[in-house]
Amino acid sequence: GESVGLHLPTLSVQEGDNSIINCAYSNSASDYFIWYKQESGKGPQFIIDIRSNMDKRQGQRVTVLLNKTVKHLSLQIAATQPGDSAVYFCAESGNSNSGYALNFGKGTSLLVTP
Amino acid sequence: EADIYQTPRYLVIGTGKKITLECSQTMGHDKMYWYQQDPGMELHLIHYSYGVNSTEKGDLSSESTVSRIRTEHFPLTLESARPSHTSQYLCASSLAGGQFFGPGTRLTVL
Repeated sequence: GESVGLHLPTLSVQEGDNSIINCAYSNSASDYFIWYKQESGKGPQFIIDIRSNMDKRQGQRVTVLLNKTVKHLSLQIAATQPGDSAVYFCAESGNSNSGYALNFGKGTSLLVTP
Repeated sequence: EADIYQTPRYLVIGTGKKITLECSQTMGHDKMYWYQQDPGMELHLIHYSYGVNSTEKGDLSSESTVSRIRTEHFPLTLESARPSHTSQYLCASSLAGGQFFGPGTRLTVL
C-alpha cells in the first residue's frame, strides 16, 4: 500500500533551538495531513493539521509546511523546550472531510537537551 | 484534552482468556477507530466504525472483533488471547479531519 515515512528516526536538539522534523509520503491522492506528538505511555496528541490546498500553517510555536511537488511534509518547532521531548508522527488521509482512517509514518524521537 | 477514555490502562492475562477492551467518547463523534502499536513503532489500523451498527476491518489483520451499538462506545474483544496479541491498543474518534486518541491499553498475554 501507500507509505508514509520519516527521514530520521531520532533528533537531538538543544533547549531553545528550533527543531525540524521531516516526513515523506507517497500517495499523491493524500489531501489531509496531521502531526501528532506521543509521550511515553500516552496516546498520540494532535498538534497541527494541514489540507492539501495549503502549503503552510502555523500554530503556537509550531509550523507545518507541505510541499506537494515532492510529497514532503515538515514540522517546525520554535524555541524547543524539554516538554517537547516525545515521538512525533506524521499521518495522512485521502479524504479530509469524511474522517477516513489515517495512515501513520514510523515516528521520529525528539530529545531536547538542556 | 480530548474526552475519550479507555479501560483498563494495563492488563496482564493468560493465554486462552477472553478479554474486552473498553473505549468511550463523550464528544458525539460518529467515527471511531482501533489501532495497534508496538513500542517505538507506528500505529496500525485494525478496526473502524463510521457510526452505530457500522464496523469495518482495517489494514492490519487482527483476530479481534468490535461492536458499535451506541455512538459513544466502541469495545474491542479478543475471544482467545495469545502472546502474539501483546501490544498497546489505542482507540480514537473523529467528527471530520483529525482524530483524537485515548490513553491506550497496554496488553500483555503470558
